[in-house]
Amino acid sequence: KQEVTQIPAALSVPEGENLVLNCSFTDSAIYNLQWFRQDPGKGLTSLLLIQSSQREQTSGRLNASLDKSSGRSTLYIAASQPGDSATYLCAVRALLGYSTLTFGKGTMLLVSP
Amino acid sequence: DTGVSQDPRHKITKRGQNVTFRCDPISEHNRLYWYRQTLGQGPEFLTYFQNEAQLEKSRLLSDRFSAERPKGSFSTLEIQRTEQGDSAMYLCASSLEGTATNEKLFFGSGTQLSVL
Repeated sequence: KQEVTQIPAALSVPEGENLVLNCSFTDSAIYNLQWFRQDPGKGLTSLLLIQSSQREQTSGRLNASLDKSSGRSTLYIAASQPGDSATYLCAVRALLGYSTLTFGKGTMLLVSP
Repeated sequence: DTGVSQDPRHKITKRGQNVTFRCDPISEHNRLYWYRQTLGQGPEFLTYFQNEAQLEKSRLLSDRFSAERPKGSFSTLEIQRTEQGDSAMYLCASSLEGTATNEKLFFGSGTQLSVL
């Protein structure tokens, strides 16, 4: 059974800092990995999707990397802003049961001005 | 707004009552998913439709839960005889069928259910 772990569970940084969020998964047989953002009481917004054959994806200040063989992904946020404050979730689409995503519990990020 | 729409946003009900939620996916998306999320946890898969066919159901989906997607458009999720443990955020997502490697899910804002 695929398990996804996110570290740290919570992170507080001052504005302007660069930061890294970590995601690990137990079964490396995946189709892709997706990073989401969730604001309190709201749904999920897709940030980046990395296909299993890719090493990284970039969108603006966000960069996500994938090391499938070691079961790890990182989300790098450059020059953090208070508006980045949210919970960040990673999810993997496994080869077995490919119709579903398995999510981690998320990292709650607070960027203070 | 052409995103995934869910209704209602919030639902408060008494234990034992039935509730129904609605999801309107992005219009051209043929796949629709229901997930459930409790506080401090990531979303958990409930069920999945391709067009009008319900292709997969999680073991989390007890007999009290039923989902439909008539005509492959909107979907409803009904919970019968609600229990306090059903209190959660119910999230709907849709996607356009592609290859498994690049299919991206788009989520709605969810329905927050509170069972008293």
